[in-house]
Amino acid sequence: RKEVEQDPGPFNVPEGATVAFNCTYSNSASQSFFWYRQDCRKEPKLLMSVYSSGNEDGRFTAQLNRASQYISLLIRDSKLSDSATYLCVALGGTYKYIFGTGTRLKVLA
Amino acid sequence: GAVVSQHPSRVICKSGTSVKIECRSLDFQATTMFWYRQFPKKSLMLMATSNEGSKATYEQGVEKDKFLINHASLTLSTLTVTSAHPEDSSFYICSARWTSTDTQYFGPGTRLTVL
Repeated sequence: RKEVEQDPGPFNVPEGATVAFNCTYSNSASQSFFWYRQDCRKEPKLLMSVYSSGNEDGRFTAQLNRASQYISLLIRDSKLSDSATYLCVALGGTYKYIFGTGTRLKVLA
Repeated sequence: GAVVSQHPSRVICKSGTSVKIECRSLDFQATTMFWYRQFPKKSLMLMATSNEGSKATYEQGVEKDKFLINHASLTLSTLTVTSAHPEDSSFYICSARWTSTDTQYFGPGTRLTVL
């Protein structure tokens, strides 16, 4: 089993739709979690950190469920520019960041 | 957010040559930096963890004599690909850890093509 698992997608959604991604992690000792987005042939860019209480940044909401060991990312009112690969990252012991394989999102006009 | 630069952004070299890639944290100090490589449509693969003032920690299967890492200051880490071969052609990305939040910030990447 992979340490961080994501559905690779692609998720094809129309503009304006709400879309949610889940990510599961296997290491219960993981303390910090992040969502990054990566555009084709570019570096990952931090989208948001994920806090235990959940956090929101504009159209994006991230949540953490420690009991079930998953984190989620909700995107409301999808824009064409949201099309990208979304990477889930867990920070485990010894400061090793574990990346999911990413979920591809395509927002269609 | 924090800014990490990487230089060069693109390099084309002949087989057998060595290529040095620089990674700098521009507005914060980073005791820990990371080097990744990524093949097209594949996930990021961690190559090594670079710690300021000490030896890098390499992931299994990554040759430390081929991929030399130096982290001589709190804002600079370098990766040297020695005796490059065509199979070393890839997208190399560095990141720096912002200690206070444990957040990684990535450089823009270096696209290496070995002919």
